[in-house]
This record gives sequence, structure tokens and C-alpha cells, in this order.
Amino acid sequence: KAGVTQTPRYLIKTRGQQVTLSCSPISGHRSVSWYQQTPGQGLQFLFEYFSETQRNKGNFPGRFSGRQFSNSRSEMNVSTLELGDSALYLCASSIGPQEYNEQFFGPGTRLTVL
Amino acid sequence: GQQVMQIPQYQHVQEGEDFTTYCNSSTTLSNIQWYKQRPGGHPVFLIQLVKSGEVKKQKRLTFQFGEAKKNSSLHITATQTTDVGTYFCAGTEYGNKLVFGAGTILRVKS
Repeated sequence: KAGVTQTPRYLIKTRGQQVTLSCSPISGHRSVSWYQQTPGQGLQFLFEYFSETQRNKGNFPGRFSGRQFSNSRSEMNVSTLELGDSALYLCASSIGPQEYNEQFFGPGTRLTVL
Repeated sequence: GQQVMQIPQYQHVQEGEDFTTYCNSSTTLSNIQWYKQRPGGHPVFLIQLVKSGEVKKQKRLTFQFGEAKKNSSLHITATQTTDVGTYFCAGTEYGNKLVFGAGTILRVKS
């Protein structure tokens, strides 16, 4: 069974630009969650999508948005990038809602904002 | 909002010594999950605890969920260099989302 894949793996952008990250969950998994990981802040929850609906949302500004497609693949978009958005963005898939099921993490997308 | 506090932030042990990381919540949790992230890797699920007072073991790892379901611990007996990494707990308040602790970084000296 293929694991969670994320593309691209590395990304360099400049302030003010926007970026779209992609996540393909494990086949059969309906939940996709997104996290931001930085050395000082640990793993911060962005949002969870389940069956194409946003089920939960973390405390991030509206510049961070996401969506899920009918095949469970998910995208995350960050508009008007700021230096502080530099981080590792991880997505995780689970067969059901994130809080009750084992989450399988992808390798992450390393975003650098210059 | 819901917060999950994890201590210590960092621990450096001699190979063969024991290690424990603690997770505390101000609110009652419905369940708690533990993950391990190796340096340069991504978090990997270790276990989920659901019942009050639950204790589960995986070889040298022992996981506990407190009686009040507000705290949890992970204990590693006789650490090995392969145990190096960051250990995260993640708790869920009833009807709410999963919240991760800040993690405990474990370093093992051989």
C-alpha cells in the first residue's frame, strides 16, 4: 500500500507570493489533515478535511485555505506569503476522523519564504 | 482553547537509562495518541489510549492514561540509540479536534 505523498517536497517563494501544496492520502482514507511544523512551535494544526468538507480548523489566518477533492486528494493554499510562513507543512491521512484514528503522515513540503 | 502541555522539552540520557515524557491537559480528554518523529523524518503513530487508567506496552515502551483522563506518560526502559527522536502526545477534548503537545526531544549517548 502506497504511503501518503506530498508535492512538491521543497519550495522557495518570496514574500507576497502564493503557494499551493498537494497531498495524496493512502487509498481508502477519507480524512486529510494539514499541520505546520516549526522548530519553536511544534506541530500546529491547520485544518482537517473529511469527505470533501472542512471538518475542523486551527487558529491560522484566512490566508491559509484548503480543499479536498472527490478522490480524497487535498490541496493547501497560502496567499500573500510572509517570512513567518517558512516551515515544514505536513499532511496526514486517516481512515476516519483524525481524533479517533491513527494518522499516517507524509514526508512534508519544506517551504522557504525569502 | 484546549491545550496539551508536554514535559520535559528535551532529555539527554546515557544508553541503557530509562526515559519518561509526560503529557498534561487542563481538560478531560476522550483519547490520547502518541507519535515518534525521527530526526529528518515525519511523525509515526505509536499508540492510542482511550480508557481511564489504561496501560499499554510495546516491547520497551509503556504508555499510561491517567485515571482522570487528563494526563498521560510514555516510559522507555533501557534506552537504545534507535530511540532517538521527538515524542509527541496528541489529545482530543470531547467533540473537539486533536491537539499536539510541543514534543520531547530524546537524545541517547552511547
